[in-house]
Amino acid sequence: SQQGEEDPQALSIQEGENATMNCSYKTSINNLQWYRQNSGRGLVHLILIRSNEREKHSGRLRVTLDTSKKSSSLLITASRAADTASYFCATVSLSAGQNFVFGPGTRLSVLP
Amino acid sequence: DAMVIQNPRYQVTQFGKPVTLSCSQTLNHNVMYWYQQKSSQAPKLLFHYYDKDFNNEADTPDNFQSRRPNTSFCFLDIRSPGLGDAAMYLCATSRDAGQQETQYFGPGTRLLVL
Repeated sequence: SQQGEEDPQALSIQEGENATMNCSYKTSINNLQWYRQNSGRGLVHLILIRSNEREKHSGRLRVTLDTSKKSSSLLITASRAADTASYFCATVSLSAGQNFVFGPGTRLSVLP
Repeated sequence: DAMVIQNPRYQVTQFGKPVTLSCSQTLNHNVMYWYQQKSSQAPKLLFHYYDKDFNNEADTPDNFQSRRPNTSFCFLDIRSPGLGDAAMYLCATSRDAGQQETQYFGPGTRLLVL
């Protein structure tokens, strides 16, 4: 069964606006990670948040984690055209044998 | 620069003709992964190696095999590619198999099956 699910599936915003993407998961996790993928390329790790953390920042990125709701959000502030990419959450749970399970991703388009 | 390298970036093969995709890493990581990613979908783990130990996902078709002759290299062999195997294949590494590890991805090989 799919562990992580992102919403929205696609998001289109203007440059300078904030973009929020959400991820929900089903089982207990050890940590949750967000990855970015430019079109036709590999994934790049953005940020890891542990199950005992509630919020984490990295530059223009802010990630929150609510383990009671089994959900996480990724906020990109002051978006740029270069932020256009697909964003995936990945969860690591004991039941998955420590392997990643990726959600379907959110395709973000930032219009100049 | 340390990195994960995949060759070729694009591979065209014929229906039923065996094909091998390559991955190498200069990170000296213990774990190497192969993912299949179809258009607009999430990467799906096929298998991984922890050092020389091979770990196959339960739903990975028998058509897919892998070899890791040494720490640096890992190969994905598709014995008889079908049209449904056309996808992006991503190689990734992690330093260890611990739960706090992040994965480092190569640029992928896009496979086209004619």
